[in-house]
Amino acid sequence: QKEVEQDPGPLSVPEGAIVSLNCTYSNSAFQYFMWYRQYSRKGPELLMYTYSSGNKEDGRFTAQVDKSSKYISLFIRDSQPSDSATYLCASLSYNTDKLIFGTGTRLQVFP
Amino acid sequence: DAGITQSPRHKVTETGTPVTLRCHQTENHRYMYWYRQDPGHGLRLIHYSYGVKDTDKGEVSDGYSVSRSKTEDFLLTLESATSSQTSVYFCAIGGGRTSGRSREQYFGPGTRLTVT
Repeated sequence: QKEVEQDPGPLSVPEGAIVSLNCTYSNSAFQYFMWYRQYSRKGPELLMYTYSSGNKEDGRFTAQVDKSSKYISLFIRDSQPSDSATYLCASLSYNTDKLIFGTGTRLQVFP
Repeated sequence: DAGITQSPRHKVTETGTPVTLRCHQTENHRYMYWYRQDPGHGLRLIHYSYGVKDTDKGEVSDGYSVSRSKTEDFLLTLESATSSQTSVYFCAIGGGRTSGRSREQYFGPGTRLTVT
């Protein structure tokens, strides 16, 4: 079992929809959680970074961590075609420098 | 790309030849990382460095070596390239610029390597 699991998609939604992207993790020591966006043939770009449980909002993006169920989510409001990309979740624990990634979910937002 | 460059951006090489990829940062971050990205596997850590001359292995380190002689440069060497090392290689930086510890990592544009 991978430490961070993510549905590969693709997830296809119409413009303006609310998108929910999800990951589960197995290591209860994970305390730092990140979401990256990766456009085709580009490097991953850090979108959201959260520590421990709770919500964090940045514009149209909200990251949510539920440590009790080991579930991390990224919500995108008013989705745009420019949001079409692969979204990667990642986690690490306090006593390590090794970020563990999910395999990514491909999102397509059509006009 | 947060002041990170990778060279070369594309390379085709033959099985058995040594290959060196370079990562250069202008952000003065303490930590530097090398990842490979493959379909179905996502991003996997090869090696990382937590300071000049300080390195450690990642998940998939066999067949790879690294060196860091300056804060800004981190080299990844494939000692004898094999077809299984065909991949996209990403460098990342992190750890913050001061003695404080920062967990975010920022990625470079990637190097597409093909081993024939």
